Amino acid sequence: ETGVTQTPRHLVMGMTNKKSLKCEQHLGHNAMYWYKQSAKKPLELMFVYNFKEQTENNSVPSRFSPECPNSSHLFLHLHTLQPEDSALYLCASSQNQGTTDTQYFGPGTRLTVL
Amino acid sequence: RKEVEQDPGPFNVPEGATVAFNCTYSNSASQSFFWYRQDCRKEPKLLMSVYSSGNEDGRFTAQLNRASQYISLLIRDSKLSDSATYLCVVNNDRGSTLGRLYFGRGTQLTVWP
Repeated sequence: ETGVTQTPRHLVMGMTNKKSLKCEQHLGHNAMYWYKQSAKKPLELMFVYNFKEQTENNSVPSRFSPECPNSSHLFLHLHTLQPEDSALYLCASSQNQGTTDTQYFGPGTRLTVL
Repeated sequence: RKEVEQDPGPFNVPEGATVAFNCTYSNSASQSFFWYRQDCRKEPKLLMSVYSSGNEDGRFTAQLNRASQYISLLIRDSKLSDSATYLCVVNNDRGSTLGRLYFGRGTQLTVWP
């Protein structure tokens, strides 16, 4: 399935590096999301974009900076990360149909911060 | 209190067994409910939505009890391919038009031959 794609699939970076994660959805959806999944913890919502506008920032540190140039693309810019930021970062999209909205996830980027 | 709580697991069952997972949610205003499946090192994928009347999809049956704020998933005749982590997911309606999902930690299932 290629409805939601993410690149890179794996990323190793030092604490002083700057990198970006990319997400693209081919489903014609209007909403896009970034989630963080750490070991032994539930998925944590980070950011929500609806029609390119950020509608939610779930108290995410400023070292994570999202960008949504259009409804199909979503970026997560990373800088001066900490080792505890190592996790699986998942992008999702949905049609935006209210409370019955179904989200479709990309394969994720597995990030390791050294 | 966590929004969504699940059985800690892991569950290890033989092929052909019936296994049940439980989940509770804290917000009585929650509107919609789902079970997602996540394979090892893969993304979560929707398994089924959960409706008030209960619903069945092949070997999978989901139940919702709004009064007790409790959701269940029953898997009959387990297959090796059912081995995965099962995530209980709740949409917490806060007046938003968007689906705001809350995920449980997941319950790991291993089906052995």
